[in-house]
Amino acid sequence: DQQVKQNSPSLSVQEGRISILNCDYTNSMFDYFLWYKKYPAEGPTFLISISSIKDKNEDGRFTVFLNKSAKHLSLHIVPSQPGDSAVYFCAATLSNDYKLSFGAGTTVTVRA
Amino acid sequence: NAGVTQTPKFRILKIGQSMTLQCTQDMNHNYMYWYRQDPGMGLKLIYYSVGAGITDKGEVPNGYNVSRSTTEDFPLRLELAAPSQTSVYFCASRRLDEQFFGPGTRLTVL
Repeated sequence: DQQVKQNSPSLSVQEGRISILNCDYTNSMFDYFLWYKKYPAEGPTFLISISSIKDKNEDGRFTVFLNKSAKHLSLHIVPSQPGDSAVYFCAATLSNDYKLSFGAGTTVTVRA
Repeated sequence: NAGVTQTPKFRILKIGQSMTLQCTQDMNHNYMYWYRQDPGMGLKLIYYSVGAGITDKGEVPNGYNVSRSTTEDFPLRLELAAPSQTSVYFCASRRLDEQFFGPGTRLTVL
C-alpha cells in the first residue's frame, strides 16, 4: 500500500527555468514531510522539509509547498541548474516516530 | 567524520546463502535504520533501532534480522537469500528530524 506517491517518474527542464515536482500522500496522520535528493551510486541526501503547521518553507533556490486539504506537496527549484539533475524522493512521517514512507522518486534532468 | 559507511558496496549471492551487510556511523546517533530500494520504487523500511540493544520491525522485515550491540554499528543479516531480496540496501542514522544515509549496498541473489 503506497502511502506516498510521486506520479511523474521523470522531468526535463531547461537550465534557468523552474522545476516543479509533485507528491501526494494518503495518510492524513502524516505531519512532517521531507524531500531527498539522490545521485547515482550515492545515498539520498536531505534537501528540505516542512511541518504540517506550515504551508511553505523556503531554503535558497528550493521551496516546498504543502496543501493539507489536498494531501499534496510540491517542490519548486528556481532557477534550475545542471547540478540539480538527480532523483528526488518525497517522504512523509509522523513526527513522533520518524519512520519515513517514501515515494518512488522523480528523475530530474536539467538541460543546458 | 565519515558519516554513515556501508560494506560491501556490491555482492552477488546464490540462493540459500547468508550474509551480513555492515553499517557503521560515527555521529553518535541513537536512531538507525535499514531500507531497501527496488527498481522504480521508493525506499522501504526493513528494521530500525532507537538505541543499543533496542530494535524493531519496519514495513518489510521478513527474511532479515538485525542486532544493535553498540551505538555505532547496525548490521543487517540475510538468512537463506532469495531472488526477491535482490535490491539496493541503504543504512541511515538520524539526528533530530534529519536522516543521514550511507552510499548503499547493491545485492544480487541468483
